[in-house]
Amino acid sequence: ELTQPPSVSVSPGQTATITCSGDKLGDKFACWYQQKPGQSPVLVIYEDSKRPSGIPERFSGSNSGNTATLTISGTQALDEADYYCQAWDSSNYVFGTGTKVTVL
Amino acid sequence: QVQLVQSGAEVKKPGASVKVSCKASGYTFKSYEINWVRQAAGQGLEWMGWLNSNSGNTDYAQKFQGRVTMTRNTSISTAYMELSSLRSEDTAVYYCARGNWGVAATPSLDYWGQGTLVAVSS
Repeated sequence: ELTQPPSVSVSPGQTATITCSGDKLGDKFACWYQQKPGQSPVLVIYEDSKRPSGIPERFSGSNSGNTATLTISGTQALDEADYYCQAWDSSNYVFGTGTKVTVL
Repeated sequence: QVQLVQSGAEVKKPGASVKVSCKASGYTFKSYEINWVRQAAGQGLEWMGWLNSNSGNTDYAQKFQGRVTMTRNTSISTAYMELSSLRSEDTAVYYCARGNWGVAATPSLDYWGQGTLVAVSS
């Protein structure tokens, strides 16, 4: 129900933009998780645009209409990972299809 | 600090059941729900359901209803997820994750266990 692009490529220091599309997603709140190979997911954005403690300021989020967006400004090599959006819908956690971010 | 520590890897035969544990520490166990999420190799995240750690109430994703049971033992701050009638498609890493309801009355999963690999093979 939440669709993400399979992959996004970005050069170091540039901005990576990851989208998450779903019907009336802007009427709900979106979260984003980062998952590096062999590791558990980590919450990086909640309630559309809030950062948990310890998450760098280069991670930001927005949500409007049918699309939520995760933006990584000044992308670093260590940001290379899979990213998943998530929304709360009909008392269910719904995850996006996931986006692999490659830092070239 | 908040920690969720899961039990070790399991190998099961088709038709069997598996029970995975998730021991919480660093916070008041009854104050947060525990969710279970699984991930098959190379695939995305799939939510299975949640457990109200205080009341014991549960809500399961439709796909798993009838096959999954989530329970807890509050005296040892541990949640459990049991999946029955296993088939090869259930081979995956199973995560527990703490659900946190923010001021906007919408939850996120703010802490995750390390994952438990469940392999189903004859």
